[in-house]
Amino acid sequence: EADIYQTPRYLVIGTGKKITLECSQTMGHDKMYWYQQDPGMELHLIHYSYGVNSTEKGDLSSESTVSRIRTEHFPLTLESARPSHTSQYLCASSGETSGIHEQYFGPGTRLTVT
Amino acid sequence: KNQVEQSPQSLIILEGKNCTLQCNYTVSPFSNLRWYKQDTGRGPVSLTIMTFSENTKSNGRYTATLDADTKQSSLHITASQLSDSASYICVVGDRGSTLGRLYFGRGTQLTVWP
Repeated sequence: EADIYQTPRYLVIGTGKKITLECSQTMGHDKMYWYQQDPGMELHLIHYSYGVNSTEKGDLSSESTVSRIRTEHFPLTLESARPSHTSQYLCASSGETSGIHEQYFGPGTRLTVT
Repeated sequence: KNQVEQSPQSLIILEGKNCTLQCNYTVSPFSNLRWYKQDTGRGPVSLTIMTFSENTKSNGRYTATLDADTKQSSLHITASQLSDSASYICVVGDRGSTLGRLYFGRGTQLTVWP
């Protein structure tokens, strides 16, 4: 069982609200990731970080922002939520073993914007 | 374009039976191929990881194969159990970046009936 946590697990909010999805890991991994997943669809990388003070946008355009002030913490923020943001958000971290970056996923946050 | 295609999209089998899931990919340059199990509402959990030099790897009742020449992989599940009901995702990593970028398939939704 990987030591990576996400809160809240479920969130229903109204349009225009600001929200922050929390992600933390206790494995000391430098690399962390945020993915977005819709039902029956593949995971899409929306943000990643190589380490503290490093953040990059992923393949899928997202209106969210991230920060990495501490190694273990990688929160994702939506300044003004819209119904199009309704999705599952998965956080992951990776450590290198024999040249392969094994990614460990959190349980996800199911976001619904009404 | 780097893509990962999985088949079938969904599969229903009876408890105790075996099944095989397929994965074709076009990711290049290839680094590794992973199979993840994702229970409903949860994050993916790694089952196997194979590099180009490996053509088979087992994890309990799960056996993955890789043919790097034809860019195909399969996941064989033996003596299925009700707890095997989940989405099985094929993921291919490239070695073209220090991030270790992953490309995700849409998954095969497996349902095991008693």
